[in-house]
Amino acid sequence: AQRVTQPEKLLSVFKGAPVELKCNYSYSGSPELFWYVQYSRQRLQLLLRHISRESIKGFTADLNKGETSFHLKKPFAQEEDSAMYYCALSGPQTGAQKLVFGQGTRLTINP
Amino acid sequence: DAMVIQNPRYQVTQFGKPVTLSCSQTLNHNVMYWYQQKSSQAPKLLFHYYDKDFNNEADTPDNFQSRRPNTSFCFLDIRSPGLGDAAMYLCATSRGGVGPYEQYFGPGTRLTVT
Repeated sequence: AQRVTQPEKLLSVFKGAPVELKCNYSYSGSPELFWYVQYSRQRLQLLLRHISRESIKGFTADLNKGETSFHLKKPFAQEEDSAMYYCALSGPQTGAQKLVFGQGTRLTINP
Repeated sequence: DAMVIQNPRYQVTQFGKPVTLSCSQTLNHNVMYWYQQKSSQAPKLLFHYYDKDFNNEADTPDNFQSRRPNTSFCFLDIRSPGLGDAAMYLCATSRGGVGPYEQYFGPGTRLTVT
């Protein structure tokens, strides 16, 4: 069964401190992994996808197939990073993309 | 330059009274999705349209149906809403084909059932 687990519902760190949001998944095969973010009063939007191997707003995420994890990291948190973060997976997309979301982690950056 | 629009943003309906939520897009994407998100839970895919082809998730209740009259519009119909159907309903769109492609979400419609 496809499943995404985000063990922390809430995460609070101080500005300038490192941030790591955890994501573990269960999937038989080669999944596509994503991080979506929802800032206050804004819509859900893509932050990054594992296949791109890019850094967005200072965030990176590495797919670890051995540990079935896709943790989101940022070395120095900023106040504008406060938001709800969702990890999501899908199978390889050849038509539509059926996302399975984790329950989300609410990140708060304290000044 | 809103790309995925949902109306209304807030909908109140009575127990058992049919309700329709609407979604429109200006992206000309092949695929339109409907998700249900209950309080403090993950968004859950209900169904999607790939062009005119409707695809229902196995565990989506029969009470939920959808229509896509053209590329731009998609509707979610709840035939007989129960108290358990109170949730945020999210519409999303994406390109279809070999991806992965980003999904673009609307702001959501919050449904209250009284």
